[in-house]
Amino acid sequence: DAGITQSPRHKVTETGTPVTLRCHQTENHRYMYWYRQDPGHGLRLIHYSYGVKDTDKGEVSDGYSVSRSKTEDFLLTLESATSSQTSVYFCAISTPLQGRENTEAFFGQGTRLTVV
Amino acid sequence: SQQGEEDPQALSIQEGENATMNCSYKTSINNLQWYRQNSGRGLVHLILIRSNEREKHSGRLRVTLDTSKKSSSLLITASRAADTASYFCATGRMDSSYKLIFGSGTRLLVRP
Repeated sequence: DAGITQSPRHKVTETGTPVTLRCHQTENHRYMYWYRQDPGHGLRLIHYSYGVKDTDKGEVSDGYSVSRSKTEDFLLTLESATSSQTSVYFCAISTPLQGRENTEAFFGQGTRLTVV
Repeated sequence: SQQGEEDPQALSIQEGENATMNCSYKTSINNLQWYRQNSGRGLVHLILIRSNEREKHSGRLRVTLDTSKKSSSLLITASRAADTASYFCATGRMDSSYKLIFGSGTRLLVRP
């Protein structure tokens, strides 16, 4: 499984509460990504990180924040969860060839989040 | 909007037949990748084709890339029931951001 773990795997939370999802890797990959997957939309990029404390927005970043204080961990936080954030969240890791191109990404098993 | 869009959204074929899925994208890329997702699982990388390549093979998979049309196709030959899954294309951008953008996927059902 390329040494990538997401936690929790399932979570039910109430509207308005903060939620943090964790992605942990043991492979020392430089890049880490957070995606959400919804029916009819495929995977949409929320945020990504290209190094410790280096992050950038993806396609659907509103309502989400991220932090990466060390190489191994990439946290996704929903400051105040809404029902529209009910989704399956996937973390991915990769190490792009410097100055060249993306390479294969490895995915975690996903976190199913339900906001009620 | 999605960088990659797959077509068709769903495909149902008989075991032994070939399955073809298409992907279109909008901006310049450095490569295009195909991934597979079994129900409820994470995505698994299948094959990567670079922007200067036109065709690539891996086992029963054949991928083509036409950068002038900004499109790619994935062909699975002699399909098996175990190939039933969703298939996604993903594009690596030319802007050095290393964003990996996925399309909405094709759901493939291979009937025994």
